[in-house]
Amino acid sequence: QKEVEQDPGPLSVPEGAIVSLNCTYSNSAFQYFMWYRQYSRKGPELLMYTYSSGNKEDGRFTAQVDKSSKYISLFIRDSQPSDSATYLCAMSAGFGNEKLTFGTGTRLTIIP
Amino acid sequence: DTAVSQTPKYLVTQMGNDKSIKCEQNLGHDTMYWYKQDSKKFLKIMFSYNNKELIINETVPNRFSPKSPDKAHLNLHINSLELGDSAVYFCASSLRGPGLSYEQYFGPGTRLTVT
Repeated sequence: QKEVEQDPGPLSVPEGAIVSLNCTYSNSAFQYFMWYRQYSRKGPELLMYTYSSGNKEDGRFTAQVDKSSKYISLFIRDSQPSDSATYLCAMSAGFGNEKLTFGTGTRLTIIP
Repeated sequence: DTAVSQTPKYLVTQMGNDKSIKCEQNLGHDTMYWYKQDSKKFLKIMFSYNNKELIINETVPNRFSPKSPDKAHLNLHINSLELGDSAVYFCASSLRGPGLSYEQYFGPGTRLTVT
């Protein structure tokens, strides 16, 4: 069993829909939770991060972390065709153990 | 302007050859990483250097040897290439410190194909 599990999709939704992407994990030492976005044939880029449990909002994006359930989510409101990409969750135990452990990525397509 | 650059972008080679991939960052970061992304898009850390010191060394065949001449450069040398080495290799960089290394900047990737 992988340390981080993510539904690989693919996921296709119409423009304007709310998208929910999720990851579960098994390592209780993880403290930092990130979402990276990767466009086709490009390197991943950091979209959002959250430290410990809680919610964080940035424009149309909301990241949620529930450490008690070992479950993290990314919500995209008013989805746009430009949001079409692969979304990778990533986790880290923090300073002194900076290794990022990634999920397998969810491929998202927003249909105009 | 390029923050993290890698050369070459594409590499096609035969089994048994030795090849190198170079990475450079101009962000002033002190930590650099090599990741391997397989055909299913799974991204896995291989190595990390902080100020030329190896700090992460995952279970990787010893045919792979990273080298960091200075904190702005991290190269990856691969000996005796095998078919299973075909993947996209990403270099990344970050600052190191409490709460800093989550923000990693990735290069464009090097697509390695071993025939």
